[in-house]
Amino acid sequence: DSGVTQTPKHLITATGQRVTLRCSPRSGDLSVYWYQQSLDQGLQFLIQYYNGEERAKGNILERFSAQQFPDLHSELNLSSLELGDSALYFCASGPRQGAGDTQYFGPGTRLTVL
Amino acid sequence: QKEVEQDPGPLSVPEGAIVSLNCTYSNSAFQYFMWYRQYSRKGPELLMYTYSSGNKEDGRFTAQVDKSSKYISLFIRDSQPSDSATYLCAIRGISSGSARQLTFGSGTQLTVLP
Repeated sequence: DSGVTQTPKHLITATGQRVTLRCSPRSGDLSVYWYQQSLDQGLQFLIQYYNGEERAKGNILERFSAQQFPDLHSELNLSSLELGDSALYFCASGPRQGAGDTQYFGPGTRLTVL
Repeated sequence: QKEVEQDPGPLSVPEGAIVSLNCTYSNSAFQYFMWYRQYSRKGPELLMYTYSSGNKEDGRFTAQVDKSSKYISLFIRDSQPSDSATYLCAIRGISSGSARQLTFGSGTQLTVLP
């Protein structure tokens, strides 16, 4: 158990809909990272938040957005869903700046868009 | 050209064999190297982390980095059926502030036969 929690575990929805994925980092970690894993693209970095502020952005679609709240949990919002958005979405958390580089991954949310 | 190339396998070996998993990368700015293990589409689990050329050993696992060749390897000695998983290399450049996003290889699927 990495200490990172993600909810829900599975999500099935229809095209055009909007969903919210939730992540709670390990106790004491200030960074949250979101990754998407699909069969054809592998594990792709989406976005990072550090102590409530956006720090880095990867290949995140404009239809996707994220935020990190004062209690450090994070939410990834996916809107106008398309079939190609079906994937595993992982959250990872990391330590404070300067305290190492390891990222610990949560169990993931499996999103299926029908 | 992808930033990180990894042979997807699949790789199948008998129990007790030495396994060699490899990645190459294109950007010499990459400075930090990790290996993750992922079981059955669950969250990736950190196995090894290193930031310098040379070898790092942890039990049956040895991570090797050759920055001059932009080549990293993971060796598994005395492989066990429980090692059957997908192995992902992950690489990071020198961060800007607290940005710590990882670039992943596509993963190598390993099966260790009893």
